[in-house]
Amino acid sequence: NAGVMQNPRHLVRRRGQEARLRCSPMKGHSHVYWYRQLPEEGLKFMVYLQKENIIDESGMPKERFSAEFPKEGPSILRIQQVVRGDSAAYFCASSGLAGTDTQYFGPGTRLTVL
Amino acid sequence: KQEVTQIPAALSVPEGENLVLNCSFTDSAIYNLQWFRQDPGKGLTSLLLIQSSQREQTSGRLNASLDKSSGRSTLYIAASQPGDSATYLCAASTTSGTYKYIFGTGTRLKVLA
Repeated sequence: NAGVMQNPRHLVRRRGQEARLRCSPMKGHSHVYWYRQLPEEGLKFMVYLQKENIIDESGMPKERFSAEFPKEGPSILRIQQVVRGDSAAYFCASSGLAGTDTQYFGPGTRLTVL
Repeated sequence: KQEVTQIPAALSVPEGENLVLNCSFTDSAIYNLQWFRQDPGKGLTSLLLIQSSQREQTSGRLNASLDKSSGRSTLYIAASQPGDSATYLCAASTTSGTYKYIFGTGTRLKVLA
């Protein structure tokens, strides 16, 4: 059973461009969480999605950030008009049953904004 | 609001020493608590998961305990090795309905050969 996959692993964008980060959960998992790790800081929750639904986006910045988890395909975290402060490692995790199962983390996408 | 704290922030020990990493949380209403290891520039490796109904979990040289009443968890590493050098993170899963993890800021461990 393949683990959680994220791509790209490294992404470089110039200020003002868009960044799209993809997360493919483990097979059979329908719950996806996104976390952000800013340099020298801990991981912070961003958003929790189930298939086709955003359940909790309390950690998402109000502007420029959006997330989706369509019926088919990976979950996407989209950052519009990136700024240098968006440079961070973005991790996604998936679980089979929220709360009753551990969250399995992907390797992360490291976003660098020039 | 749940807050998770890890002490110490950094630790340097000689090889072979037994050591304890501490994690404290402010809200005892957690669903589970998980310990992770993170190597520089890498992702998270799950070490131990303790459900809220459990007191401890063991895997090899690692033992994690959970005391919900005092809001504490400890990770015990026996006979430390240079390969144990990494940042250790604890994360508490909330019972708010989303089960999102609240992470501590980590303990950066260095085991000297």
